[in-house]
Amino acid sequence: QKEVEQNSGPLSVPEGAIASLNCTYSDRGSQSFFWYRQYSGKSPELIMSIYSNGDKEDGRFTAQLNKASQYVSLLIRDSQPSDSATYLCAVIFNTGFQKLVFGTGTRLLVSP
Amino acid sequence: GAGVSQSPSNKVTEKGKDVELRCDPISGHTALYWYRQRLGQGLEFLIYFQGNSAPDKSGLPSDRFSAERTGESVSTLTIQRTQQEDSAVYLCASSLFPEQPQHFGDGTRLSIL
Repeated sequence: QKEVEQNSGPLSVPEGAIASLNCTYSDRGSQSFFWYRQYSGKSPELIMSIYSNGDKEDGRFTAQLNKASQYVSLLIRDSQPSDSATYLCAVIFNTGFQKLVFGTGTRLLVSP
Repeated sequence: GAGVSQSPSNKVTEKGKDVELRCDPISGHTALYWYRQRLGQGLEFLIYFQGNSAPDKSGLPSDRFSAERTGESVSTLTIQRTQQEDSAVYLCASSLFPEQPQHFGDGTRLSIL
């Protein structure tokens, strides 16, 4: 069973703080990892991709990957109320073909 | 258009009727995916197309659900004899290749009366 695990939250942080979103996955062989943001009533949108161990920064977002621990995280610096959304972790598993598996998402609430 | 296009955006129908949902992927994208999302729930994978073939149909919930893709482009998801539990947002996504990130359409909100 290929699984992607996320804490459902909600994760509540004050405006300006760092939000840390975590994800674990079951397949040690996975090589491609993505973070999506989904606002209520909207479809998911891709915000970060990461393929190598370490950190990848894009503006206020930093993705962190540790393949040995099968762990990927997303840090949001200087959190804004507009960041309030559900964040979905997605991992490509090789099941004979490449399959993107989504976690159930973590709801983030940023309070003014 | 530049993005994934889904139609209709909303569909209200009576229980027992058949419905057909359409997805136009981003031009050139070889992989196409259908998901279902019930209110307040996560994404539920339905089916995946690579070109016109479907290597993974494991998520289709019953034989009332079917999907096809033609011309390595447009895809239709058909639900026969709809039930109230079929009410959800149906999302389509496409990717250039399976190992690439997926890009989602705006979804079709299906309501079964």
